[in-house]
Amino acid sequence: DAKTTQPNSMESNEEEPVHLPCNHSTISGTDYIHWYRQLPSQGPEYVIHGLTSNVNNRMASLAIAEDRKSSTLILHRATLRDAAVYYCILPPLYNFNKFYFGSGTKLNVKP
Amino acid sequence: SAVISQKPSRDICQRGTSLTIQCQVDSQVTMMFWYRQQPGQSLTLIATANQGSEATYESGFVIDKFPISRPNLTFSTLTVSNMSPEDSSIYLCSVGGGGFGEKLFFGSGTQLSVL
Repeated sequence: DAKTTQPNSMESNEEEPVHLPCNHSTISGTDYIHWYRQLPSQGPEYVIHGLTSNVNNRMASLAIAEDRKSSTLILHRATLRDAAVYYCILPPLYNFNKFYFGSGTKLNVKP
Repeated sequence: SAVISQKPSRDICQRGTSLTIQCQVDSQVTMMFWYRQQPGQSLTLIATANQGSEATYESGFVIDKFPISRPNLTFSTLTVSNMSPEDSSIYLCSVGGGGFGEKLFFGSGTQLSVL
């Protein structure tokens, strides 16, 4: 299974964009890239996922490098509510619902 | 999306006892998983709860310690047996598959403290 590497923590100012990086150099051609976040005292929640092309939804954007060895989750305007641990996950092809979580990036948003 | 109810939300237990955690989903789901989150740590997958058959455990987790039941497509239980203080963690149920596609949905977890 492909491994991911994320910075332990990042800090952002409220209402500014945030770029959360993830390295996955051993990714295979069929691995989807998923992002989840865990708000304090809650279970993780879905943010976004993609395969090759950049993806946008109402929560965030996902920028995927051309060689797919890295990706960036973009929060366009961080709010205090976005303070959470963000996980980049590559589920195994044999069971794309089976998630193995790395250590994630703890995002702190300053007012 | 799926609405997941976990019970109890928290408990304080004595060493050597067992606790059964329930996970109820508001719709039928293909996949159900149990995770553990130790204090200050990320989530670790314990097992896949299989409907009508024995659960599939990840490396480091065994059925005697974490027996799992899944009698139907909307319900599962995880028992933490013969507890020790090292079992103090948050235990989370997650569901996915079928109409949910690649997404996983998580319960809010059960905060377990073992004295």
